[in-house]
Order: sequence, then structure tokens, then C-alpha cells
Amino acid sequence: DAKTTQPNSMESNEEEPVHLPCNHSTISGTDYIHWYRQLPSQGPEYVIHGLTSNVNNRMASLAIAEDRKSSTLILHRATLRDAAVYYCILKGGATNKLIFGTGTLLAVQP
Amino acid sequence: DSGVTQTPKHLITATGQRVTLRCSPRSGDLSVYWYQQSLDQGLQFLIQYYNGEERAKGNILERFSAQQFPDLHSELNLSSLELGDSALYFCASSVDYGTPTYEQYFGPGTRLTVT
Repeated sequence: DAKTTQPNSMESNEEEPVHLPCNHSTISGTDYIHWYRQLPSQGPEYVIHGLTSNVNNRMASLAIAEDRKSSTLILHRATLRDAAVYYCILKGGATNKLIFGTGTLLAVQP
Repeated sequence: DSGVTQTPKHLITATGQRVTLRCSPRSGDLSVYWYQQSLDQGLQFLIQYYNGEERAKGNILERFSAQQFPDLHSELNLSSLELGDSALYFCASSVDYGTPTYEQYFGPGTRLTVT
């Protein structure tokens, strides 16, 4: 399974944009980039995924580098509810299992 | 609410005992996954079932077993429990098993404490 590297922690102010980076230099051509987050005392929840093009949904945007060796999850206006651990995960192959790394703990200050 | 339910919410038991954790997937989802989250190991994939058949195995101990029933609910059985088995156990479900675009929906978890 290809590995991802994320900063251990980041801090943001409420209502400001947040850019969460992820490096995945060993990504294969068929790997999708998925982001999940885990709010305190809850199970992980899906945020967004992409393959090559940038993606937007109601929760966030995903910017993927042209060489696909890195990506950035963008929260356009952070709220206190966005404080969570964010996981960048590569998914491919015949199964759908998620291999979680250590993620980035995002703190949002009021 | 993800639509995935897990019971019980909390479980306290003694070393050497056996417990069963139950999961009901979202309506329409055929795949069920089990994950373990402990402080030292983080979130780890244990096992996956699709429509009653085992599809993938992760770091699941031999003392642990799982199954998925015809109504698609799943049970994770943990036996000969040790202190190190204390963790949060999450169940997740998805529509498919082999398509990397499908997201997984996680339940609220069962917190197991072994004393």
C-alpha cells in the first residue's frame, strides 16, 4: 500500500481558509486520493476524493498536483466544528480497505 | 448520522473472556469493514466482508473472527481477551468492495475495555 505523509498538527483561525497538505510520492497511476476526518469521539467521515483533477464538494476542495505526488485539502472557511484529525489515504486495487496513517490534527481557534 | 449502527456502545469485560460486537450497515450497502483504533496503533483495518463473503483481511488476530449474515449485518467476535485488546472498534459500510471511488460510512464505534 502506497504511503502518505502529513504534518502532525496544524492550527487555524475561525472563518479563515485552511490548507492541509499531503505527500504521496509513491502513488500509482490507479490510486485515488481520499480524505477522511475524525471529529472528537466520533467515527471517521468521508470528506472528498479525486484522481487527477481538482475536486469540489460542499465540505471542501481537493487540489491535486500535476505529477500527483502531493495534494492539498482546502477548507474554505474553517469553523470550530472542523477541528478534527484529517487523514489522507490512497485507495486502489481490488479491495476498498482504508489504510490510515497518523493524520493531521487540526485545531481551530475562535 | 451515517446510517451505520453498532452495538453495544460500551463494553467492559475481563481478560480471558469472549465478546461479540454487532454492526448493521447502511441500507443498500453490501460491504462491511471492521477497524480497530487504539492509542498506540492508531486506526487499523481488520477485515472486510461483501455480501456474506470475506474479501480482505488486515491485521486481525487469530483470536478474532467475523462474519456477515444474510441480512447483511456483521458480528466481530473477540476471544481470549487481553488487556491490549482494549480499543475502539469501528464498523463501516459501502456499496461496493472493489471500486476505489466509493466512500465508506462509519458507525459510532464500540468502546471495549478489558480489565
